[in-house]
Amino acid sequence: DTGVSQDPRHKITKRGQNVTFRCDPISEHNRLYWYRQTLGQGPEFLTYFQNEAQLEKSRLLSDRFSAERPKGSFSTLEIQRTEQGDSAMYLCASSLWTGDNQPQHFGDGTRLSIL
Amino acid sequence: AQSVAQPEDQVNVAEGNPLTVKCTYSVSGNPYLFWYVQYPNRGLQFLLKYITGDNLVKGSYGFEAEFNKSQTSFHLKKPSALVSDSALYFCAVRDISNTGTASKLTFGTGTRLQVTL
Repeated sequence: DTGVSQDPRHKITKRGQNVTFRCDPISEHNRLYWYRQTLGQGPEFLTYFQNEAQLEKSRLLSDRFSAERPKGSFSTLEIQRTEQGDSAMYLCASSLWTGDNQPQHFGDGTRLSIL
Repeated sequence: AQSVAQPEDQVNVAEGNPLTVKCTYSVSGNPYLFWYVQYPNRGLQFLLKYITGDNLVKGSYGFEAEFNKSQTSFHLKKPSALVSDSALYFCAVRDISNTGTASKLTFGTGTRLQVTL
């Protein structure tokens, strides 16, 4: 069990640029989640996948955000035309679906800073 | 809608003393409840969960939590605090009766625990 891995750990970019983050879940986990955490707040749910299917998206996930999990393994989260308000920690989590009582295991996150 | 309240931004305790970090929740149905800990510049680490059964749940690093349905609370406790327990603690809830958002975790705003010598 190598844990959830996220890349990069930090990303600094100018407003208006596109960014893409990657998440590698724990290998046997079939569910993968994306959360966003801003300073002084708890993580807020963005979206989740079961295998390659995206089953739910939060209203926080505007049209500029897109997430994929093409082969049911790693996932990417892309933000197009970044804005100042996108500055946050983006957290990925994974779990093994056995009826929703399993905890989600989190990666160390990607911290995005918009200049 | 489901929600979590952590009424204390910070809890200060001396090493060796018992600690309590408070959490109350609101769901329309039955809850699954979780506690996570976050160290600086790190992700969240799972501590413990309440699903069903015994109201006192034991977790990692000597932590435990007590589920109280009538008070809709799930307070985190430890009999003897360590300086290394200093971190940010998050309570989270999942409403298992809401199949539309069954997998969504809703977190509180976090409580910073400061343990001093």
